[in-house]
Amino acid sequence: GENVEQHPSTLSVQEGDSAVIKCTYSDSASNYFPWYKQELGKRPQLIIDIRSNVGEKKDQRIAVTLNKTAKHFSLHITETQPEDSAVYFCAASFKGGSQGNLIFGKGTKLSVKP
Amino acid sequence: DGGITQSPKYLFRKEGQNVTLSCEQNLNHDAMYWYRQDPGQGLRLIYYSQIVNDFQKGDIAEGYSVSREKKESFPLTVTSAQKNPTAFYLCASSTSLTADTQYFGPGTRLTVL
Repeated sequence: GENVEQHPSTLSVQEGDSAVIKCTYSDSASNYFPWYKQELGKRPQLIIDIRSNVGEKKDQRIAVTLNKTAKHFSLHITETQPEDSAVYFCAASFKGGSQGNLIFGKGTKLSVKP
Repeated sequence: DGGITQSPKYLFRKEGQNVTLSCEQNLNHDAMYWYRQDPGQGLRLIYYSQIVNDFQKGDIAEGYSVSREKKESFPLTVTSAQKNPTAFYLCASSTSLTADTQYFGPGTRLTVL
């Protein structure tokens, strides 16, 4: 079936450094790519998303880039802060089968050290 | 996502008992989803529904059942057939089953004693 690969599974950075999380997807028909942040014991919350007609999108310290040809997209966090520590999930839209409308990556645990 | 509620927040169950988790949304969303999350793991889809009175199995439907009698409600029953039900259960909804954002509820943590 279709899937989304997410790397790395864990990432540790110093406060103020940048963090990059990468995802690749298999369904060439995917056209919507959200990113979620999940703090311990809480719900995943949408932090940024991008559609296939756009190559890059920014929101303050967060940016997402999309390369449709290579079927990969990335999350970039600049000037990281301790409160950025969480698990981040990428997802890609999917049109059917046993996976609903989004296929999720397995997550990246980001730790920002003060 | 404040329009999606789940109850209870914590639930304890004895082995052999069925238990029902509640999920309600007031976002007027057509599509609703149930996910299971184990410690340090990702999201695994249990069931989803794109419209009232219709639902589809996800990747790990065995041992679970759902109903969708009302647009706002999508309860999940964890049956005694589910061999390892202790987990964090997340409900989500989206406008439709097309390429669209899913919004998550706060989750229910189920523990089997």
